[in-house]
Amino acid sequence: DAKTTQPNSMESNEEEPVHLPCNHSTISGTDYIHWYRQLPSQGPEYVIHGLTSNVNNRMASLAIAEDRKSSTLILHRATLRDAAVYYCILSITSGTYKYIFGTGTRLKVLA
Amino acid sequence: DTEVTQTPKHLVMGMTNKKSLKCEQHMGHRAMYWYKQKAKKPPELMFVYSYEKLSINESVPSRFSPECPNSSLLNLHLHALQPEDSALYLCASSHERGRRRELFFGEGSRLTVL
Repeated sequence: DAKTTQPNSMESNEEEPVHLPCNHSTISGTDYIHWYRQLPSQGPEYVIHGLTSNVNNRMASLAIAEDRKSSTLILHRATLRDAAVYYCILSITSGTYKYIFGTGTRLKVLA
Repeated sequence: DTEVTQTPKHLVMGMTNKKSLKCEQHMGHRAMYWYKQKAKKPPELMFVYSYEKLSINESVPSRFSPECPNSSLLNLHLHALQPEDSALYLCASSHERGRRRELFFGEGSRLTVL
C-alpha cells in the first residue's frame, strides 16, 4: 500500500498561514489524497481531498504537485481552534476504498 | 443527520470477558470501517464492510469479530483480549459509490483490557 510521510510537528502563529507538507512518492494514478484532522478526544474529521488539481473549500486549500508525489495543506489564517493532528491519507482505489493514515503532523498554534 | 454514534464511550474488560462495541449511522452510507488507535499514533485500519459484506480484513486477530447486521449498524465483538488491545476504537462510514468518499468518524470507544 502507498505510504505518506509528514513532519511530526509544526508551529504557527495565530492569524498567519500554515503550509503542512506530505510526501507520497508511491501514489498510484487513481489514489485520491485526503486530509483529516483530529482534535483531542475526538475522532478524525474531514478537511479536504483531491486527485490532480488544486482544491479549495471553506476550511483549507490543497495544493498537489504536478507529479502527484507530494501535496500541501494550506490553512490560510490559523486560529487556536486549528491546533490538532493533521493526517495526510491516500485512499487506495482497488475495489472497496481503503484509507491508510500517515503518521500525522501535530500543529501547535501560538497566540 | 451527519453523525456516527459509537457506544459505549468507555469500556473496561477482563481478558476472559466477551463484550461488543456498537456503531450506528443514518446517512445512507454503504461502507463502514473499524479503526484502532493507540495513544499518539495514527488510526490503523482493521475492517471494511461494503454493502453489509466484509470487504477488507487487515489480518486482524480472530479475538476481534466484526458484524454488520444491516446497513446502519456495525458491531465489533471482543473475546479473550490482551492488555495490548487497549486502545481507542473508531468507527467510520462513507458512501461506497461516487466521488464524495469522505469518511465520517464517530468519537470512538476507549477500551481498557485488564
